[in-house]
Amino acid sequence: GENVEQHPSTLSVQEGDSAVIKCTYSDSASNYFPWYKQELGKRPQLIIDIRSNVGEKKDQRIAVTLNKTAKHFSLHITETQPEDSAVYFCAATHPGQNFVFGPGTRLSVLP
Amino acid sequence: EAQVTQNPRYLITVTGKKLTVTCSQNMNHEYMSWYRQDPGLGLRQIYYSMNVEVTDKGDVPEGYKVSRKEKRNFPLILESPSPNQTSLYFCASSFSDTREQFFGPGTRLTVL
Repeated sequence: GENVEQHPSTLSVQEGDSAVIKCTYSDSASNYFPWYKQELGKRPQLIIDIRSNVGEKKDQRIAVTLNKTAKHFSLHITETQPEDSAVYFCAATHPGQNFVFGPGTRLSVLP
Repeated sequence: EAQVTQNPRYLITVTGKKLTVTCSQNMNHEYMSWYRQDPGLGLRQIYYSMNVEVTDKGDVPEGYKVSRKEKRNFPLILESPSPNQTSLYFCASSFSDTREQFFGPGTRLTVL
């Protein structure tokens, strides 16, 4: 089955700097890669996703890149703000397969 | 308001006492799923359902049961809870298994 690794487990950045979180997956059949943000005490919410037919997707300060050959994908947050502080989870799946999340990255944006 | 609801939100129980956590969605989603969240382990899928009467095991199904008799409801059943099932549980729903999942508020379960 699918296995998703995520690094780093914790990340601290200064406000205004960029943050990058990387994930690797094991199942080459996986073709859907979402990123969820979970603020303290809240439920996870989707922030961006990418499918295997594209290499990059951007939404304002957030971007995701996918390298299918190397089986890894990354979340990039630019101009970080205090409200970006949260736990971020990557995931990988394909139709009919169970949904597998990475273990999470706790991002702290320091003022 | 479009939402996923779970009940109860908090539950403390004892080993072996059967319990059910309910999950309901009003978005006409076909896909529903249960996850447990434990520190350092992220979200792990317990069971999922692609449609009514169709359920499949996720990564950690042992000790759990589910049913999907109606499209909107997907209850999680612990027939004989044990302390290692103490966790935060989330229900989620989506139009499909490769679309955005909408999560419920979570159920914090403690098994003594």
